[in-house]
Amino acid sequence: EVLLVESGGGLVQPGRSLRLSCAASGFIFDGYAMHWVRQIPGKGLEWVSGINWNGDRVGYADSVKGRFTISRDNAKNSLYLQMNSLRPEDTALYYCAKDRTYSSSYFTGAVDVWGQGTKVTVSS
Amino acid sequence: EIVLTQSPGTLSLSPGERATLSCRASQSVGSPYLAWYQQRPGQTPRLLVYGTFTRAPGIPDRFSGSGSGTDFTLTISRLEPEDFAIYYCQQYDTSPLTFGGGTKVEIK
Repeated sequence: EVLLVESGGGLVQPGRSLRLSCAASGFIFDGYAMHWVRQIPGKGLEWVSGINWNGDRVGYADSVKGRFTISRDNAKNSLYLQMNSLRPEDTALYYCAKDRTYSSSYFTGAVDVWGQGTKVTVSS
Repeated sequence: EIVLTQSPGTLSLSPGERATLSCRASQSVGSPYLAWYQQRPGQTPRLLVYGTFTRAPGIPDRFSGSGSGTDFTLTISRLEPEDFAIYYCQQYDTSPLTFGGGTKVEIK
């Protein structure tokens, strides 16, 4: 069974940092690009960041560029999102998501597996 | 960034009726790079269609995608009770990837 399990969310003050992690299992992790997608409860989906299979291509939403950093450790089957200079508008449920395309050099793809999400609340 | 505008915001229909959902892009999207997702209340999104036309594994054939350029459509031929949900389009042609704002299909 393909599983993505996020962790690291919580309550943090504006301007502080948080690191999200995603543990992947049930598929060949280093064969796929991965993504972070967020959703404010009751609102729509927002793609946050993506990374290709080996980490040499990454992309970010304009709203997080320069503040968030995506990375992966293929040896540990793990995906990460380092979030710095957090703002109240970053408050959301953050999903780890698997790209559907195997062995692509890019991070641009549709998502076929989603984790259950980890909640991030930025508030003083 | 490519902005995706979905319409209508809400679609009120009865089971058995046909649903037509629209997704319009602010600039042309390469046809292989448009996807549709379904999100039921309290659940994570589910991939329905990718590459504009191709149903994801396990998706019933009442769901079909079409379109090109800036105009894309998801059609549900006969609504089943489990189809009442929110639907999102997504372009993955160009970074940043973007989602539309969603269309809610509700029971009339």
